[in-house]
Amino acid sequence: GDSVTQMEGPVTLSEEAFLTINCTYTATGYPSLFWYVQYPGEGLQLLLKATKADDKGSNKGFEATYRKETTSFHLEKGSVQVSDSAVYFCALGSNTNAGKSTFGDGTTLTVKP
Amino acid sequence: KAGVTQTPRYLIKTRGQQVTLSCSPISGHRSVSWYQQTPGQGLQFLFEYFSETQRNKGNFPGRFSGRQFSNSRSEMNVSTLELGDSALYLCASTSGSERSPLHFGNGTRLTVT
Repeated sequence: GDSVTQMEGPVTLSEEAFLTINCTYTATGYPSLFWYVQYPGEGLQLLLKATKADDKGSNKGFEATYRKETTSFHLEKGSVQVSDSAVYFCALGSNTNAGKSTFGDGTTLTVKP
Repeated sequence: KAGVTQTPRYLIKTRGQQVTLSCSPISGHRSVSWYQQTPGQGLQFLFEYFSETQRNKGNFPGRFSGRQFSNSRSEMNVSTLELGDSALYLCASTSGSERSPLHFGNGTRLTVT
């Protein structure tokens, strides 16, 4: 079945450091890929998405590229801020049902000033 | 546009009781999904409703049930509560297209004592 393997955390960085959170997936077909972010006490928010191979999703300085050949969707940001501290989830969309996504375990990012 | 609204935000119940959680999706969204989030198991898919029909179901016991009304609002019910049901229950809505992201509410925190 579909699965997502996400880099284990927690990750602690200093402000302005470079961020990479690895995500690889196993799926049949060509699903959409997503990164969601969760702040304390809140639900998940969409950070970025990519719907087909070689697509690059980007938002708020974060980027991720849909790599079909390596089945990866790594999240990167060139310079993190304290406000980026949150839990990040990589997710695989369903080919058949929009409401059913498969999520990675989440990576907790803490950015220190 | 109003986001996904979940009520109540917090619930404390005793083992053996039952509970009903409510979710109002984004206007125009016909798909509503429910997820259980726990520290140990991460995000797990419970079920999805589309146009009042259950379209997909996760691997949870029959004590977990749901329904969707004609206005797309959804309820989730858990009967005979167990301690292990303590979790954050997240509702998500989407337009129904396979490539669309999920829009999450802030969740209902259920504590079973």
